[in-house]
Parts: sequence; structure tokens; C-alpha cells
Amino acid sequence: DGGITQSPKYLFRKEGQNVTLSCEQNLNHDAMYWYRQDPGQGLRLIYYSQIVNDFQKGDIAEGYSVSREKKESFPLTVTSAQKNPTAFYLCASTPRDDYGYTFGSGTRLTVV
Amino acid sequence: GEDVEQSLFLSVREGDSSVINCTYTDSSSTYLYWYKQEPGAGLQLLTYIFSNMDMKQDQRLTVLLNKKDKHLSLRIADTQTGDSAIYFCAESPNTGGFKTIFGAGTRLFVKA
Repeated sequence: DGGITQSPKYLFRKEGQNVTLSCEQNLNHDAMYWYRQDPGQGLRLIYYSQIVNDFQKGDIAEGYSVSREKKESFPLTVTSAQKNPTAFYLCASTPRDDYGYTFGSGTRLTVV
Repeated sequence: GEDVEQSLFLSVREGDSSVINCTYTDSSSTYLYWYKQEPGAGLQLLTYIFSNMDMKQDQRLTVLLNKKDKHLSLRIADTQTGDSAIYFCAESPNTGGFKTIFGAGTRLFVKA
């Protein structure tokens, strides 16, 4: 079945470490997105990519980095510069002209 | 800037109808969405409506749009315990792309 796979489901990070969250899709979607979800808040856009080898900052890009070397893959690195990284991270994708996102099942990142 | 507002909690009895409300500020909104999030999971697109429509019905779900008041509602008929989840309203000026703004979500509790 087609979908978006995020891994790992749970991730623990020590202070000062960089960690990378994986997002893979087999839907042949052009655009991919990373959102951050905090309790009681809506989703906030971190980065998005509408085409391979190109990506744009969202509303809260500071302390994060991404790459889009393949259409299927859009990994997110949470760097040590991100001061409050504990959150639920969601990856999503859309075809070029379609309505609504397809989301992955999320990665919960906790700083220990 | 643009904003989407929802009430945070709603409690209903099993078998009753649920109505979840949402208001948005962006007058250029073209597409309005309802997503469902179950615990520990990603968001699932339930339905969407174009801004030139007043109503859309899909099985137990009815979406009503009052464009003049920028008010969107989701009615779930014959609410079941499996409907317990967080429901997110979202709006976008284009086809589900990077300009999508999400509300904070309404947590629906269904009492047996």
C-alpha cells in the first residue's frame, strides 16, 4: 500500500546532539513537508520541498535542516541550535494539484 | 496574519450528533479542510470543501461553510466511540500546499 513512513516512532536526544528524522513516501508525490506539533497548538511548518533538490523555510526553520536528494525522501535534522526540540514531528506530502495532505504517523522526539 | 480558531474540547454522548466549529480570518481561503488525529498518530484527511460551496455531505459527515462569517463546521451524525479524536480545521488559498494554516484542534470525547 502507498503511504508515508516515518522513523523512528520515538527518539531520545541528549543536549547538544544532532538527530535525523526519516520520512519516505511511495506515493509519487511531488511536494513534501515537515510540521511540528506541540500540545494544544496547531501544526507549524518547519520546511517544505516542492521539487527534488529544492526546499524552502517554513515559519519555524531555525535550528532545523533538510535535504531532498530523491523524490521519495525528505529527512529532517534537528540540530543542537534548536533550543526546545521536544515535540511531535509530522511529515506530509501532496501531489502537484490535489486537495489535502497525506501524513505519516509521526516521530516523537524527547530531549533527555 | 492569517489565523484559524477552534474550541479546544467537545464532549458528546454516543449516538448523538457532534458539531465542531471553526473560524478563519483569511478572506482569500479557497480550500477548507477537516483532519482527524487519533492518539499517537498522524493526521488523516476527512473531507474538504471549496469556498464556492455552502455544504458538503459524505456519509456521516456534513460540512457547512458560511463564507460571509468565515465560519466552518463539521457535523458528525450518530457519533461513535471510535470518533473520539482531535479534529483539525485548516484553510489554504491553494491546493493543500505550503500556505495551509491549521487550527489548534478540537478534542472530541464520546461517552458511552
